Amino acid sequence: DAGVIQSPRHEVTEMGQEVTLRCKPISGHDYLFWYRQTMMRGLELLIYFNNNVPIDDSGMPEDRFSAKMPNASFSTLKIQPSEPRDSAVYFCASNQLQVNTGELFFGEGSRLTVL
Amino acid sequence: TQLLEQSPQFLSIQEGENLTVYCNSSSVFSSLQWYRQEPGEGPVLLVTVVTGGEVKKLKRLTFQFGDARKDSSLHITAAQPGDTGLYLCAAGKYGNKLVFGAGTILRVKS
Repeated sequence: DAGVIQSPRHEVTEMGQEVTLRCKPISGHDYLFWYRQTMMRGLELLIYFNNNVPIDDSGMPEDRFSAKMPNASFSTLKIQPSEPRDSAVYFCASNQLQVNTGELFFGEGSRLTVL
Repeated sequence: TQLLEQSPQFLSIQEGENLTVYCNSSSVFSSLQWYRQEPGEGPVLLVTVVTGGEVKKLKRLTFQFGDARKDSSLHITAAQPGDTGLYLCAAGKYGNKLVFGAGTILRVKS
């Protein structure tokens, strides 16, 4: 079975550019999470969805960040405009709470570098 | 302030040694998870502990949940180079929202 699929794996962009990260969760999972990982702050939850509806976006750093989930098999995290401090690895994860007792299945991450 | 405090932050040991890493909090959790993350990959679940005082074993790894469900430990016996990685504990307080500790970086030298 395919796991969580993220793209791109690596993105290098210049400050001020728009960045879009993509995620395909595991089929049948009804929760989707976006995390950001840095050396300084570790793994931080940015936002999560249940049945395509955003439940908690309190971790989104500022208005430059936005996330959507137009259907059960696709989500995007957009940064506009990007800044050097946004450089991090962004992970998407999914689960099916009632079945997996909360286990998160992570993608391989998107490494973002903003110059 | 981190909800989950992990220690040590970094551990470098020789193959065959034993080690213990800790995950502590002032909060009570209904369950706690341990993940391992290798370079270039996402974290992968090792175990979930649910009951206070619970001990779970996974080959050479032993996980314990504190009696008060505020802390947990991971003990590795006879560490191998393949155990190298970032070990993360995670717990949830509200619904399905998991928060992670900062992690322990383990390096096992052969």
